[in-house]
Formats: sequence, C-alpha cells, structure tokens
Amino acid sequence: NAGVTQTPKFQVLKTGQSMTLQCAQDMNHEYMSWYRQDPGMGLRLIHYSVGAGITDQGEVPNGYNVSRSTTEDFPLRLLSAAPSQTSVYFCASSKARGAMTQYFGPGTRLTVL
Amino acid sequence: GEDVEQSLFLSVREGDSSVINCTYTDSSSTYLYWYKQEPGAGLQLLTYIFSNMDMKQDQRLTVLLNKKDKHLSLRIADTQTGDSAIYFCAESPPRAGNKLTFGGGTRVLVKP
Repeated sequence: NAGVTQTPKFQVLKTGQSMTLQCAQDMNHEYMSWYRQDPGMGLRLIHYSVGAGITDQGEVPNGYNVSRSTTEDFPLRLLSAAPSQTSVYFCASSKARGAMTQYFGPGTRLTVL
Repeated sequence: GEDVEQSLFLSVREGDSSVINCTYTDSSSTYLYWYKQEPGAGLQLLTYIFSNMDMKQDQRLTVLLNKKDKHLSLRIADTQTGDSAIYFCAESPPRAGNKLTFGGGTRVLVKP
C-alpha cells in the first residue's frame, strides 16, 4: 500500500490563481480530511469527508472547496489564492468515523505571492 | 471551547529523558494523542491514551494524563538524536467524529 499520497510537494502561486491539491489513499478509508499547518498554530481542519459524496466544513474552510466523488480521492481546490493561504497542507485518512488512527500524507508546501 | 497548548521548544541531551507537556480545555475529550513530525514529513501517530486512563507506557514512551488539571505529558526515556522532531498533542472530543484539535507543537532538539 502506498498509504496517503499528496501532489504536488511544492507549489508557488500568484495571488488570484487557482489550483487543486491532490490527495489519494489506497487503504479503502472512509474518512478523509484536509489540514493546514502554520508556524506555532498546529494543524487546523479545513474540510473533511466521512464517505464518497459527503463533505463538511472544518475550522477554517473559507477560500477552499472540496469534493469526494470516489473513496480514494479527496482534492482540495483553491479558487482564488491569497497570501494568507501560504501554508503546508496535509491530507489525512482513517478507516471509519471514530477510528483512533489517522494516517497523514507527506504534505504540500504552498506559497502564494 | 477547544484549545490545546504546548511549549514551543525543548532542548535535551542524548541519553537523558524528555518531558513534553500539553494542556487542553475540553474535559470531555475521549482520546488524547501524541504525534511526531520529522523534518519535511507528515505526522506520525506515536501513541494515544483513553480518557479513563492515568498512564500508558509503550517502550520508551510514557504518557501521563491528569484529567483534573487537563494536563497531558509525554516522557521519552533515553532520548536519541532520532527523536529530534516536532511533537504535537491532539484531542478528540466526543461527537466530533474523527476531527482532531492540535496543539501548536513542541520542537525537541536532542544534542549529542
């Protein structure tokens, strides 16, 4: 199993550009989520999904969209990038709601100029 | 409300014990976790403790939970240079599903 994979590893955008961060898992996990990590602030939940076709907002959803058309994939879209979205983004998955172990991807470092 | 706090930095000599502290505010949290993040990598679950436990030991790791003071600690015995990383505590309140609330992370530097 590859676990949780994220692409790209690094990305630089200009203000106003759009892009999609990709996340995929091959463990047949129902639950997937996106976090952003900023210095000294830990990880904050952006959006999450409890299964294909179901998504919900986390703590900091503004400026981001998600969709979950398959169990495996959970892309995160930035519609109009802003410098405040400069961060490291982590995708995570777990087997089911309430599962104790979440598996994290290696992260995408995004810089918005 | 949910708020998890940790000290920013800890320096320790190789072979000594490290103690990383965390305070949380949601007393109804069911599970509390410790994650490790090595440079350039994602988070790796180190250990977790259920809220009805006071202590959990797993090889070099000891987790202590003081529910009265809402204080969680992680002790690493015989700290090695490979233990240099950022350590995050996280809580999982009930009815929050898989949502985790993370502390800001403690950067541990192990000096030879």
